[in-house]
Amino acid sequence: ELKVEQNPLFLSMQEGKNYTIYCNYSTTSDRLYWYRQDPGKSLESLFVLLSNGAVKQEGRLMASLDTKARLSTLHITAAVHDLSATYFCAVVGSGTYKYIFGTGTRLKVLA
Amino acid sequence: GAVVSQHPSWVICKSGTSVKIECRSLDFQATTMFWYRQFPKQSLMLMATSNEGSKATYEQGVEKDKFLINHASLTLSTLTVTSAHPEDSSFYICSARERRREGLMSYNEQFFGPGTRLTVL
Repeated sequence: ELKVEQNPLFLSMQEGKNYTIYCNYSTTSDRLYWYRQDPGKSLESLFVLLSNGAVKQEGRLMASLDTKARLSTLHITAAVHDLSATYFCAVVGSGTYKYIFGTGTRLKVLA
Repeated sequence: GAVVSQHPSWVICKSGTSVKIECRSLDFQATTMFWYRQFPKQSLMLMATSNEGSKATYEQGVEKDKFLINHASLTLSTLTVTSAHPEDSSFYICSARERRREGLMSYNEQFFGPGTRLTVL
């Protein structure tokens, strides 16, 4: 059974600082997605990572995928208050179509 | 592109009544849609996979007679919560799957609706 864990679960950081959110999964995966969720809202797509070594960047966020380590990272550079949200990774296991979501990381960026 | 809508965005109902939630793919056709529920401060849990023209596939532990899913067209799936009770109160999110392409690779991606907040009194 595919399991997906994120850490940390909660993250409070100062503006301007850098930090990384980790997403570990337990079995072979075809692809991995990162989403952002604001309170009371649905999911906003951030990144799709399709292969080992994939790296994508958008603004202050950069995501990478290491399929051998079964690990994806979401790196935040010089955080700003607007990045405060909950971030989820979702993994699709090999041979399946279902998304298995991680536990989520609640990020709070303090001004 | 790849916009998914849900209606209603919120609903309050009395215990014992039924509630229908609609999920529409607005600018693409989706043979497969998904229904998730999310409790406060928790992750999304897949409830069922909705297949156009056939029966839905429910996840273990989800009562199919309680959560009725109909996917009658390529752009519409509905979730009906029958005989709702307070423990059914939750945030329900649908998604629609579309085939995408990145370079030489093609893959499926789910696009999520804005969610429906159900409160059962």
